[in-house]
Amino acid sequence: DTEVTQTPKHLVMGMTNKKSLKCEQHMGHRAMYWYKQKAKKPPELMFVYSYEKLSINESVPSRFSPECPNSSLLNLHLHALQPEDSALYLCASSQLLVNEQFFGPGTRLTVL
Amino acid sequence: AQSVAQPEDQVNVAEGNPLTVKCTYSVSGNPYLFWYVQYPNRGLQFLLKYITGDNLVKGSYGFEAEFNKSQTSFHLKKPSALVSDSALYFCAVSLMDSNYQLIWGAGTKLIIKP
Repeated sequence: DTEVTQTPKHLVMGMTNKKSLKCEQHMGHRAMYWYKQKAKKPPELMFVYSYEKLSINESVPSRFSPECPNSSLLNLHLHALQPEDSALYLCASSQLLVNEQFFGPGTRLTVL
Repeated sequence: AQSVAQPEDQVNVAEGNPLTVKCTYSVSGNPYLFWYVQYPNRGLQFLLKYITGDNLVKGSYGFEAEFNKSQTSFHLKKPSALVSDSALYFCAVSLMDSNYQLIWGAGTKLIIKP
């Protein structure tokens, strides 16, 4: 299996909702990432997990909460989001931090 | 500050012609260099990388890139463009001192016309 999967593909939520984004890879990669991407812009790094430990947290608001239950799974818990949080959320993985990253198809999030 | 520049917002090429998408970087230390492609409403796909060794690296879909240390450039090339190559291309750099976080260029939209 050489891909990163993400669910759901689309998500619409209100500002008071709680939802979660899920990411999975079965390539044995030990680094996993969350990015936020606005249209036609490069991805913005949010979180990095290395060996299932949070390695980098790029000053992301606390309404975004990452979780890495095991080496194959990565979640992003969402709560009390703002309309400006609407974006494409990308998950990626790499064998190690030094290696190239493989991206999932993303979750298109709309916050009403 | 560390930065990556893609000087062209958009590149237009006729199908069958060679294409070049430019990337220059300004970093301290030895960079690892990457190219990614993003098709509409899709995630990013890894194309190729330069770590060390031969300055010309070959990647997916017939793309190649040339590392030029003196010009701090890593231009993406393809000898003969296809309409299906139309997409958004990102150059990125990582550094050991920055925990290998990717520093991204702004992206170049490549349009291949039949």
